Amino acid sequence: QSALTQPPSASGSPGQSVTISCTGTSRDVGGYNYVSWYQQHPGKAPKLMIYEVSKRPSGVPDRFSGSKSGNTASLTVSGLQAEDEADYYCSSYAGSNSRVFGGGTKVTVL
Amino acid sequence: EVQLVESGGDLVQPGRSLRLSCAASGFNLDDHAMHWVRQAPGKGLEWVSGISWHSGYIGYADSVKGRFTISRDNVKNSLYLQMTGLRPEDTALYYCARSLRGGYGFDIWGQGTMVTVSS
Repeated sequence: QSALTQPPSASGSPGQSVTISCTGTSRDVGGYNYVSWYQQHPGKAPKLMIYEVSKRPSGVPDRFSGSKSGNTASLTVSGLQAEDEADYYCSSYAGSNSRVFGGGTKVTVL
Repeated sequence: EVQLVESGGDLVQPGRSLRLSCAASGFNLDDHAMHWVRQAPGKGLEWVSGISWHSGYIGYADSVKGRFTISRDNVKNSLYLQMTGLRPEDTALYYCARSLRGGYGFDIWGQGTMVTVSS
């Protein structure tokens, strides 16, 4: 159950796009289409942004999109807005009824 | 309103036990798998444990296996985490999270309950 690998930080100017990667192994990210992404603002609980690689829950703007290739999943935020500045975490099913999170990426809107 | 409210967090000495509770409202607990996720101060999220709607499937992180026990009472609409042999590294904000019905993703989160393990 090793944590998934995310870059510690990412940034972009308002209106630009930013993509965050999430690298695991064939035992988690690569083995299942069960990757989800969470946004967390300081002092707040996480919020589900993407589930099952690319599905968006009701209410999440379509500026947020997810994809996966092999053992790496990605979250793209298009048309960056000030309120997108937050920590983002990926998570994956890892077999045997377990889950694993990534270390988190702090997104800064310049 | 769909809501999860955790309770039971406290300051405890190493080696002691603690039981966390999560009360669900606004939905039927037995429609969903449930999980505990923790976050140490200033650190990232760590999945702790999960339980299927019927308690038939249970999983634990390696870091808590053998020390923590997850359970649920669908009649009381409540989720629990029994923690024994607590260690300083268990210090964290513990979130209760609902799994999507028939899907993989945590769609509802509580506000968390703080557990501090220190002598």
